[in-house]
Amino acid sequence: GAVVSQHPSRVICKSGTSVKIECRSLDFQATTMFWYRQFPKQSLMLMATSNEGSKATYEQGVEKDKFLINHASLTLSTLTVTSAHPEDSSFYICSAEAGMNTEAFFGQGTRLTVV
Amino acid sequence: QKEVEQNSGPLSVPEGAIASLNCTYSDRGSQSFFWYRQYSGKSPELIMSIYSNGDKEDGRFTAQLNKASQYVSLLIRDSQPSDSATYLCAVITGNQFYFGTGTSLTVIP
Repeated sequence: GAVVSQHPSRVICKSGTSVKIECRSLDFQATTMFWYRQFPKQSLMLMATSNEGSKATYEQGVEKDKFLINHASLTLSTLTVTSAHPEDSSFYICSAEAGMNTEAFFGQGTRLTVV
Repeated sequence: QKEVEQNSGPLSVPEGAIASLNCTYSDRGSQSFFWYRQYSGKSPELIMSIYSNGDKEDGRFTAQLNKASQYVSLLIRDSQPSDSATYLCAVITGNQFYFGTGTSLTVIP
């Protein structure tokens, strides 16, 4: 299948700082990327849908000013967690859609710990 | 009503048996259907995609789609302990991905 690379895989940051997570589609162009958050033993929670060149669409309850998403090219989307707090500690996962209404492939995920 | 529903399990089967995972979806207009596997602490990986009614086989995995009844299932033949994971059903409706909450499968050696 197609390859989606997410970086970093693990990050520890201090409360109040910002963290940027990158999601790259390595061998295909992704017009749509998705960002998820997953707490331990819970299901995936969609945070936002990111389309290249346009503003992200956030799910209800997700603060767009706290979780900044940029999809500047067909192969790169970034999620910045601003002013991170311990409750933001979670597993963040991106996925990229290979084509309209086709498979989405996931990045490896980023485990964020805010101390 | 949730877009995609799965029995959370846990489902336990002995090694070598057939594991059957089921998923129902609410929107008749859904076009594309997928099964993902997620190991603990890892991100999901795509196992199967199915777009039309009937069965689709890939190795030990068979996906079954019945659009009239709005369900999609995954059969795992000759289950192995390495198949122990959470299996996520996903559906595309109106260009939006919807995931089920996942079914936890344990294959007992």
